[in-house]
Amino acid sequence: QQQVKQSPQSLIVQKGGIPIINCAYENTAFDYFPWYQQFPGKGPALLIAIRPDVSEKKEGRFTISFNKSAKQFSLHIMDSQPGDSATYFCAASNRFGSQGGSEKLVFGKGTKLTVNP
Amino acid sequence: NAGVMQNPRHLVRRRGQEARLRCSPMKGHSHVYWYRQLPEEGLKFMVYLQKENIIDESGMPKERFSAEFPKEGPSILRIQQVVRGDSAAYFCASSPQKGAGEKLFFGSGTQLSVL
Repeated sequence: QQQVKQSPQSLIVQKGGIPIINCAYENTAFDYFPWYQQFPGKGPALLIAIRPDVSEKKEGRFTISFNKSAKQFSLHIMDSQPGDSATYFCAASNRFGSQGGSEKLVFGKGTKLTVNP
Repeated sequence: NAGVMQNPRHLVRRRGQEARLRCSPMKGHSHVYWYRQLPEEGLKFMVYLQKENIIDESGMPKERFSAEFPKEGPSILRIQQVVRGDSAAYFCASSPQKGAGEKLFFGSGTQLSVL
């Protein structure tokens, strides 16, 4: 059972465009929603994260929008650059659970983003 | 300050052999997590360890897989009698404490290929 569904699988935009990647989750116990960026041959690196008590978080060109009632969250990349070309993963965990939380992350399947010059 | 170090980067094994994957966490980190990434898939949790203790192994296959994090030395993920389906990238992550979130860092992974 896939607990975090991510779409699209791949995405191609022109430089300066605003790619949007969407994720939906099922487990209402999730309380931490990070996005990771992965370049070929490298491990995932944390990009930005949000908790469900806010609807939006922005860090530089990256913005997470969160809709708790719909159990959906999305990543927007403003003014995308060729250097943003990578695979992006959404994830979720019960980090702040009553028993001390967990780093057991449940990942989406990833979105391969290509930003053309 | 070195990051999470994994070795080897690439490992080739024939069916039936054993694979040992090593992970040295970041300095000061005592929590280690192993994830597996199959082609075209996201990472899937395997096991969470602290020094000398397995905390959560709910993602580990029931047979052939084991993990340890001794008091001294790296964490080891061991796969006995490998099969072709074990071919994947195996990532280790470390953090200084449970529930570290932003302080969770991944290594560059070990790509296991089973012939």
